[in-house]
Amino acid sequence: SAVISQKPSRDICQRGTSLTIQCQVDSQVTMMFWYRQQPGQSLTLIATANQGSEATYESGFVIDKFPISRPNLTFSTLTVSNMSPEDSSIYLCSGSTTGGTEAFFGQGTRLTVV
Amino acid sequence: AQKITQTQPGMFVQEKEAVTLDCTYDTSDPSYGLFWYKQPSSGEMIFLIYQGSYDQQNATEGRYSLNFQKARKSANLVISASQLGDSAMYFCAMRDLGGYNKLIFGAGTRLAVHP
Repeated sequence: SAVISQKPSRDICQRGTSLTIQCQVDSQVTMMFWYRQQPGQSLTLIATANQGSEATYESGFVIDKFPISRPNLTFSTLTVSNMSPEDSSIYLCSGSTTGGTEAFFGQGTRLTVV
Repeated sequence: AQKITQTQPGMFVQEKEAVTLDCTYDTSDPSYGLFWYKQPSSGEMIFLIYQGSYDQQNATEGRYSLNFQKARKSANLVISASQLGDSAMYFCAMRDLGGYNKLIFGAGTRLAVHP
């Protein structure tokens, strides 16, 4: 099974600023995903991080607000840009192999925007 | 479109008793996977158990078992011998194995284990 290290684990940010979240996987995974969990809610997929190409965004999420990079099979970043208090959430990255029976998550980043 | 439904916002169980958390799903894909995760207050997502749509037997992992009823499109999680540390949010999720492999999550069930 893969281990995903995500950082930072939490942060308090000023509105209007940006935060970049990093995820490092200890083994190669085919798929990497970024999720948002708003307070008291379930997980919502932001985008699929594609290696070496632009991420595939879900409806309601745009690249200008959530730019994503994935330079190789084991590393990805998510940036939350021009933050507002509505962006306060837990952000989680996930990795799995195509058709795999497991999907692993990082520890999550608890973001508070003030 | 795929959909996961968890109809129990909260559940209570006495320590050492068994509890069933409900999950129903909807998909037109013949090949899919069903997952259960535990999320304690720390926020991490802990993988518990997986069931493939073609698996003939119900999945089991220690105290966790999955009651998979394909015709009813249900995948209920059974936790036996509940422990105080089982108090957490529990999420059911589904992934289609032929597409982008992304997970779709249910709303979750908050389980409280009482001593």
